[in-house]
Amino acid sequence: SQQGEEDPQALSIQEGENATMNCSYKTSINNLQWYRQNSGRGLVHLILIRSNEREKHSGRLRVTLDTSKKSSSLLITASRAADTASYFCATDVFGGGGFKTIFGAGTRLFVKA
Amino acid sequence: EPEVTQTPSHQVTQMGQEVILRCVPISNHLYFYWYRQILGQKVEFLVSFYNNEISEKSEIFDDQFSVERPDGSNFTLKIRSTKLEDSAMYFCASRSGTDSNQPQHFGDGTRLSIL
Repeated sequence: SQQGEEDPQALSIQEGENATMNCSYKTSINNLQWYRQNSGRGLVHLILIRSNEREKHSGRLRVTLDTSKKSSSLLITASRAADTASYFCATDVFGGGGFKTIFGAGTRLFVKA
Repeated sequence: EPEVTQTPSHQVTQMGQEVILRCVPISNHLYFYWYRQILGQKVEFLVSFYNNEISEKSEIFDDQFSVERPDGSNFTLKIRSTKLEDSAMYFCASRSGTDSNQPQHFGDGTRLSIL
């Protein structure tokens, strides 16, 4: 598998429920980022967690990072219909000349009103 | 809030033609990136650019591709002789400084359709 793989690929929940998305990666990382993409739009940065951090919160978002398992999770609490989007994890990998950001395939979240 | 802007939003080009995609990064940012996303697939890194030169590029970024910062504000991606498989969304991003723990800011993309 490739650097930055999310699961599930798709998630459908009711408004008010929590949504959990997972990401796994293969190489050492400097940080791990989560992005959101609404259909036909660019990516919006949600949260960045550094390799020496284990958990980070931002509003209704909670991200965890387990470097021993090379995995991260994104929890969205009390979901809203407006949270419907694709969510991607991304890692910065040093390529020799500089960093390149590797994205996973994403989780498509659908929140039903 | 300052944002990254990309033009055009949609570009339709005949196969074999050259295309230039334009981006205006956030004004005080120093690192610039191009990504592409083929319909229904993941976002793929193409190239990063710092201090007027390429700092990193992917296997996708072959001799058909080039980037340029022709003035203090624009950052362009040129595809010399387009192929059908170049059809994709192309995203530009910028980041403020040398700390890789700063987030990237993305534009809304250019949809490139090769006929």
